[in-house]
Amino acid sequence: DTAVSQTPKYLVTQMGNDKSIKCEQNLGHDTMYWYKQDSKKFLKIMFSYNNKELIINETVPNRFSPKSPDKAHLNLHINSLELGDSAVYFCASSQEGRADNEQFFGPGTRLTVL
Amino acid sequence: AQSVTQPDIHITVSEGASLELRCNYSYGATPYLFWYVQSPGQGLQLLLKYFSGDTLVQGIKGFEAEFKRSQSSFNLRKPSVHWSDAAEYFCAVGSGGSYIPTFGRGTSLIVHP
Repeated sequence: DTAVSQTPKYLVTQMGNDKSIKCEQNLGHDTMYWYKQDSKKFLKIMFSYNNKELIINETVPNRFSPKSPDKAHLNLHINSLELGDSAVYFCASSQEGRADNEQFFGPGTRLTVL
Repeated sequence: AQSVTQPDIHITVSEGASLELRCNYSYGATPYLFWYVQSPGQGLQLLLKYFSGDTLVQGIKGFEAEFKRSQSSFNLRKPSVHWSDAAEYFCAVGSGGSYIPTFGRGTSLIVHP
């Protein structure tokens, strides 16, 4: 069974479009995250939700909006896509929103904006 | 606030050779330390972690890491590298005052046959 799953795995779209990436975890964890990994492999935290509540919101354009319908799901919606949004987006989860918790990562979604 | 440095962007080793990947952190107290591995096209997977106790920790896939407080380091080692170890390796450091650890920028391991 996949612990943290993301869909789609690849997403190719035109500038200006709106797209969503879905994430689900079946680990029973309370906290979920979205990371952006750029072409140099640098991993940057974007958002974190704990029991459906936003606890971390880094400096991210407001075109990015996370939505957590329940604690097992954290979706990422992106409006008006730009070329610079091209990256790999990782969803992750942990038991609690604490720095000593192991994070479990999904396989990533490679977004290409043309 | 904590920070973490991985000074090597790329490391190339021959299969069967030993490996050491460097990680240095900045934090006043004893940090939470992690090593994650990212295989090509995959998400990150935890290799090992250190919170307290024995400073030499064993992880999965034959990896180990040693916490050295005097050097603010947590280097990852493996005595004999396999071709399947080719991947991106991330060191991460957390503290009691933060929600999530801070990730280093990663070290890419290339394994020659």
